[in-house]
Amino acid sequence: NAGVTQTPKFQVLKTGQSMTLQCAQDMNHNSMYWYRQDPGMGLRLIYYSASEGTTDKGEVPNGYNVSRLNKREFSLRLESAAPSQTSVYFCASSPLRGQPQHFGDGTRLSIL
Amino acid sequence: QKEVEQDPGPLSVPEGAIVSLNCTYSNSAFQYFMWYRQYSRKGPELLMYTYSSGNKEDGRFTAQVDKSSKYISLFIRDSQPSDSATYLCAMSGGDSSYKLIFGSGTRLLVRP
Repeated sequence: NAGVTQTPKFQVLKTGQSMTLQCAQDMNHNSMYWYRQDPGMGLRLIYYSASEGTTDKGEVPNGYNVSRLNKREFSLRLESAAPSQTSVYFCASSPLRGQPQHFGDGTRLSIL
Repeated sequence: QKEVEQDPGPLSVPEGAIVSLNCTYSNSAFQYFMWYRQYSRKGPELLMYTYSSGNKEDGRFTAQVDKSSKYISLFIRDSQPSDSATYLCAMSGGDSSYKLIFGSGTRLLVRP
């Protein structure tokens, strides 16, 4: 039972490079989310998708784009990476929006 | 004032102790009350959740919600070194129904 799977687990980028973080869930959940976690800042919502075909901004969307590819998959794209985007990124899913979420194990992203 | 307040700890207890972790909140519209456990370099793991109010028990873990006091608790009985982790409370409902509001997390250390 995989739950929420994120790839890659680690990545190092140079400033200005682009990258897509992948997320897939096998729980038939409708809602999916992207967070970043930074020391002293806690978990901050970047974007979410309440259901297939919809996406909305969270608290810190600048510099990111998302795609809800289908019900299972929700990707996060950095078009031009900046050092301030160095963080741990978590994907999560829930049956419906606002319900308890299940998290993946994260992608550790360093931007030099 | 933050919507959800949680003592960051660290909380250090001997093996076998009963641990009490707590959060207070200000938004009376919250309906879901969740507890997550996060080990170092891992994603938050949903431990337990309650809807509306009351208690819930699962093995050594008991979650309590007191809506009149806007206070939630997680009790861990017979604590084990493997319980050493950061525990995050989270809530959702009302105007912020699409997202979870997290506490800052309490770091717990169970000493052998």
